[in-house]
Amino acid sequence: ETVLTQSPATLSLSPGERATLSCRASQSVSSFLAWYQQKPGQAPRLLIYDASNRATGIPARFSGSGSGTDFTLTISSLEPEDFAVYYCQQRSNWPRTFGEGTKVEIK
Amino acid sequence: QVQLQESGPGLMKPSEALSLTCTVSDDSMSSYYWSWIRQPPGKGLEYIGYIYYSGTTYYNPSLKSRVTMSVDTSKNQFSLKLASVTAADTAMYYCVREGPRRYFDYWGQGTLITVSS
Repeated sequence: ETVLTQSPATLSLSPGERATLSCRASQSVSSFLAWYQQKPGQAPRLLIYDASNRATGIPARFSGSGSGTDFTLTISSLEPEDFAVYYCQQRSNWPRTFGEGTKVEIK
Repeated sequence: QVQLQESGPGLMKPSEALSLTCTVSDDSMSSYYWSWIRQPPGKGLEYIGYIYYSGTTYYNPSLKSRVTMSVDTSKNQFSLKLASVTAADTAMYYCVREGPRRYFDYWGQGTLITVSS
């Protein structure tokens, strides 16, 4: 199966700062990669699909890039509601797999 | 927008069979794929598999020997059965829609299944 490795495990930042999260795949997933946000006690929410497309209703401060095996999620200026865990997920290969997550916490 | 709602037993004993049902709020079942994903407490997400309205299924090889999915479009429901549960099956179980690009765009709130003797 395709293993997705996310880094860092934890990112400590202040509101207003820029967040850069990484996801690396063990084999190429082309552009078939998504990012999800999960807050405590909630289900994950789709943010980005096909590596760089924002899902419906997602603010423009969220952006995604990459292809093949290396992907990045960028939050241009952190809002208080952005502190959460972020997961990447690939749909190129079976089974679908998720990364282990990056926690963005308040510094 | 569509809403999904899981229902299940909550607490189970080892070796029992888990049965979960997801109710979809609209009549869109024939247009999408429907999946189950689980998340052990404090851990990451694991894809269990999907079912299509026609009954076509895919199961994660890691669980394939114990998983069965079914669908009842007349009731706007799909279901998951997991045989012979152990403590390792303790998790939040989510039912999820795979949207037009086959990503997980709508999620239920999740149902916590605890396996304990």
